[in-house]
Amino acid sequence: DQQVKQNSPSLSVQEGRISILNCDYTNSMFDYFLWYKKYPAEGPTFLISISSIKDKNEDGRFTVFLNKSAKHLSLHIVPSQPGDSAVYFCAASSLFGNEKLTFGTGTRLTIIP
Amino acid sequence: EAQVTQNPRYLITVTGKKLTVTCSQNMNHEYMSWYRQDPGLGLRQIYYSMNVEVTDKGDVPEGYKVSRKEKRNFPLILESPSPNQTSLYFCASSSRLAGPTGELFFGEGSRLTVL
Repeated sequence: DQQVKQNSPSLSVQEGRISILNCDYTNSMFDYFLWYKKYPAEGPTFLISISSIKDKNEDGRFTVFLNKSAKHLSLHIVPSQPGDSAVYFCAASSLFGNEKLTFGTGTRLTIIP
Repeated sequence: EAQVTQNPRYLITVTGKKLTVTCSQNMNHEYMSWYRQDPGLGLRQIYYSMNVEVTDKGDVPEGYKVSRKEKRNFPLILESPSPNQTSLYFCASSSRLAGPTGELFFGEGSRLTVL
């Protein structure tokens, strides 16, 4: 039972354009969401997060949007740069859960120079 | 430098030969966890620990054991490895003060192959 889904395994975007990565979840108890970025041969690193009391959180070129009614979040990267090429995982947790972070399957983003 | 260190980084072993993957963090984090990454399945939690002597099962605990005798160390033990445990393993830690789960700090991964 995949509670956090990233339906696009891969995405290619031209350098300078906007990259939009999507994530859907099924568990309505999730109230905290994070994005992690992973380069080959490295561990994932935290990118940005959002609490369910917000619908948008911005950090430089990265913005995460949360639509609670649709159980959908997205990560926008603008402008996209070659160094953004990586696998992106979304993750979700519940404040009242067991502090477990549930990850999606990942989306491989390739930025084309 | 703040880091999570896993060893070994690469290992090829045979079915049934017990092995341990070590994990150590130097950030005084209470929370530690093990994940495995498999193609098409993303990161799945194996076990986690909220503090010393407190461990609990994640989503895929079968075939694994853990212990948390010291705050900094959280080894993953495969008592009798099988080929379906061939995977890329990540150890992670976080401070619970940072939020519900905190931002996880991951190790560089341990690629395990069981023949």
